[in-house]
Amino acid sequence: QSVLTQPPSVSAPPGQKVTISCSGSSSNIGNNYVSWYQQLPRAAPKLLIYENNKRPSGIPGRFSGSKSGTSATLGITGLQTGDEADYYCGTWDSSLSAGVFGGGTKVTVL
Amino acid sequence: QLQLQESGPGLVKPSETLSLTCNVSGDAIRSTTYYWGWIRQPPGKGLEWIGSIYYSGSTYYNPSLKSRVTISVDMSKSQFSLKLSSVTAADTSVYYCARHSSGHLNGGFDYWGQGSLVTVSS
Repeated sequence: QSVLTQPPSVSAPPGQKVTISCSGSSSNIGNNYVSWYQQLPRAAPKLLIYENNKRPSGIPGRFSGSKSGTSATLGITGLQTGDEADYYCGTWDSSLSAGVFGGGTKVTVL
Repeated sequence: QLQLQESGPGLVKPSETLSLTCNVSGDAIRSTTYYWGWIRQPPGKGLEWIGSIYYSGSTYYNPSLKSRVTISVDMSKSQFSLKLSSVTAADTSVYYCARHSSGHLNGGFDYWGQGSLVTVSS
């Protein structure tokens, strides 16, 4: 069981928006930055969002991140078939003294 | 463009030690800005942080694996390594090496290797 809780799956038609939640506690999300990763099939994870809401160079503005209290959210607008992937949130847990990840959310474009 | 590449045996026997190396392109490993970490992913499952090392050699490990993990760095070869002892079938995973920019992973893992599947089986 993962320290951070994500929904197993979300789906929407092309062009629509999806949001993925990541729920934690004061020892992790509540007091540390959150990152988000996209993992396409048979590929390594790719950083999408860091420090809660910043996008690395080359990441489209369709991807956005936010944090409130002990939860974080990844938003994807203008959904494309190429966005079908697993998405993971990650952060530091100060109580565990360890990096932690969510269990992952599979995005399906209907 | 920074490149990371894992290498090592794809098959390890139970109770033995898993050893992997991550080659880092150029002189990036000498940077005082970045840390170098290992993350693993069991087939069909999620990500687990194993541990990280700074250029100075200081390390920190996931407490759940700490008793079995050693991460080291070799600047002369531009590589860092993972050793996981007393492996069982539960250690079968794709092992990734990656870079991050702060000790508490604030900047996330921004560069990843392609991953190396290690199967533990007799």
